[in-house]
Amino acid sequence: EVQLLESGGGLVQPGGSLRLSCAASGFSFSTYAMTWVRQAPGRGLEWVSGSSGSGSVTTYYADSVKGRFTISRDNSKNTLYLQMNSLRAEDTAVYYCAKGLVLIDDWGQGTLVTVSS
Amino acid sequence: DVVVTQSPLSLPVTLGQPASISCRSSQSLVYSDGNTYLNWFQQRPGQSPRRLIYKVSNRDSGVPDRFSGSGSGTDFTLKISRVEAEDVGVYYCMQGTHWPYGFGQGTKLEIK
Repeated sequence: EVQLLESGGGLVQPGGSLRLSCAASGFSFSTYAMTWVRQAPGRGLEWVSGSSGSGSVTTYYADSVKGRFTISRDNSKNTLYLQMNSLRAEDTAVYYCAKGLVLIDDWGQGTLVTVSS
Repeated sequence: DVVVTQSPLSLPVTLGQPASISCRSSQSLVYSDGNTYLNWFQQRPGQSPRRLIYKVSNRDSGVPDRFSGSGSGTDFTLKISRVEAEDVGVYYCMQGTHWPYGFGQGTKLEIK
């Protein structure tokens, strides 16, 4: 059974940083592309960042986070990361880790990031 | 960028009646490999999204057969043949053909 467990969310001040983690199990993590999707309170889904799978890793970012967020992965730990810098109020959302890139299938339960002073 | 537009945004439906959600893209979603990367997700209240349909019309394992997807090019539809109470939630289409990938605005299905 695929499991994706996000952690690292919390309250941070504007301009601050957070690193989200997604621990994956139940599938061959290194061979799969992975994605971060967020959902602001009461809003729809927003694609944030993606990482290709095995081999030379390619990363993708939405314009809204480019230059501020960095996606990375540690295949030895079956873990996906999202380093978030220069956080803004509009980054407040539940952040979901999802398996896949163009064919996202499994999702984690999400971790809440709140950017507020 | 490709714009994905869903309609309606709100869908009140009587139990046992059919429902239909439209998803239109500003460009054809046929990829160079011949596939069309248009997926449908369901998000029940308080839950994470769940994929229902991938590549237009392929139903995921465990998804009831009352859900079906169709369409081509720029025009796609998710249909529920007979709505049940457990179908309440928000439905999203997502295109994975053109970078940046993206979701529609969501359609909120409620029981009338």
